[in-house]
Amino acid sequence: GQQLNQSPQSMFIQEGEDVSMNCTSSSIFNTWLWYKQDPGEGPVLLIALYKAGELTSNGRLTAQFGITRKDSFLNISASIPSDVGIYFCAGLRGQGAQKLVFGQGTRLTINP
Amino acid sequence: EAQVTQNPRYLITVTGKKLTVTCSQNMNHEYMSWYRQDPGLGLRQIYYSMNVEVTDKGDVPEGYKVSRKEKRNFPLILESPSPNQTSLYFCASSSNRGLSYEQYFGPGTRLTVT
Repeated sequence: GQQLNQSPQSMFIQEGEDVSMNCTSSSIFNTWLWYKQDPGEGPVLLIALYKAGELTSNGRLTAQFGITRKDSFLNISASIPSDVGIYFCAGLRGQGAQKLVFGQGTRLTINP
Repeated sequence: EAQVTQNPRYLITVTGKKLTVTCSQNMNHEYMSWYRQDPGLGLRQIYYSMNVEVTDKGDVPEGYKVSRKEKRNFPLILESPSPNQTSLYFCASSSNRGLSYEQYFGPGTRLTVT
């Protein structure tokens, strides 16, 4: 099955730095979702995007749905220690929840 | 509290011994799904269900079965587990109406097959 290409695979940053990660695909998606997974937990939804070009914020997090509908990015501003974890992008093609395709994940590590 | 629950959270078993991982949601969601998570591969869909008695294969269905007899429950069955099914498993659910298709995940079941 197809997966999304998510990059970078890992990031090591200093506390307070901004973070940027993205997902790309050769196929069009109608919905993009960004999740965060803490150790020993299931993924938790951060941001959902439904329209091409849409820019949505959730606190220090900002995500955009690419104009071509083939990509999305997530930015985290002024990182703090609790931002540590694995971030996943996920895409839905059609109407409905049938098949959610995930990226490989970006592991974020923060040095205090 | 709205949630997806899975049981057990941890399971160690031997090759060939049938097992079931339960999943339950209290949000009246139509859609439920099972994923497995392996290092470097992200989450891959095993099976999904659009509603009661409606199930379909995901990307990696081999070696797994599911059933959806009630709206709230979606058990994952391994009839004859093998070591390559050692993985972290997640159940998820979502509404399938309107525009809101965000999936909510359970806490995970770590399965080891020896």
